[in-house]
Amino acid sequence: EAGVVQSPRYKIIEKKQPVAFWCNPISGHNTLYWYRQNLGQGPELLIRYENEEAVDDSQLPKDRFSAERLKGVDSTLKIQPAELGDSAVYLCASSPGTSGATDTQYFGPGTRLTVL
Amino acid sequence: TQLLEQSPQFLSIQEGENLTVYCNSSSVFSSLQWYRQEPGEGPVLLVTVVTGGEVKKLKRLTFQFGDARKDSSLHITAAQPGDTGLYLCAGAGFKTIFGAGTRLFVKA
Repeated sequence: EAGVVQSPRYKIIEKKQPVAFWCNPISGHNTLYWYRQNLGQGPELLIRYENEEAVDDSQLPKDRFSAERLKGVDSTLKIQPAELGDSAVYLCASSPGTSGATDTQYFGPGTRLTVL
Repeated sequence: TQLLEQSPQFLSIQEGENLTVYCNSSSVFSSLQWYRQEPGEGPVLLVTVVTGGEVKKLKRLTFQFGDARKDSSLHITAAQPGDTGLYLCAGAGFKTIFGAGTRLFVKA
């Protein structure tokens, strides 16, 4: 079974430029998460989708970040414009969405963003 | 705000030694998960503990959930170089909160 796929794996951009990340979750997983992981820290949730609905986006900086999950499958996360402080690894995860708080999240390898 | 504190932040030991890492919070969690993350990869779930006082074993790894469901520990017996990685705890409440992790390096 294929795992969570993310692209690109690495991205280097100059500040004020836009950037987009793509995630393909495990087939059949209803719940999709985007996390940001700063160097030396644990992942921090940005947004959680159940099917195509964003059920928790309280930590998403909405002035520059946006996300969508079309048809409840793939998802994209966009930053426009990027700032130096956005340099981090952006992780996507998916879960079956059937066990609530104990649901197992399966993570992709992440996209490492460097903003110069 | 729920916070999870992990200690130590960094641990370097010799192969064969035992170690314990800790995950503490002032908040109660409905469950707590331990993940291991290797460089360039996403975290991989090791275990989920749900019941206060619960102990789970995974080969040489022993996980314990505190009686009050506010803290947890991970004990590794006879560590091996393959155990090297970042160990993250994550508490599930309204949302999943991750600690900053313990970076373990096991020298051969």
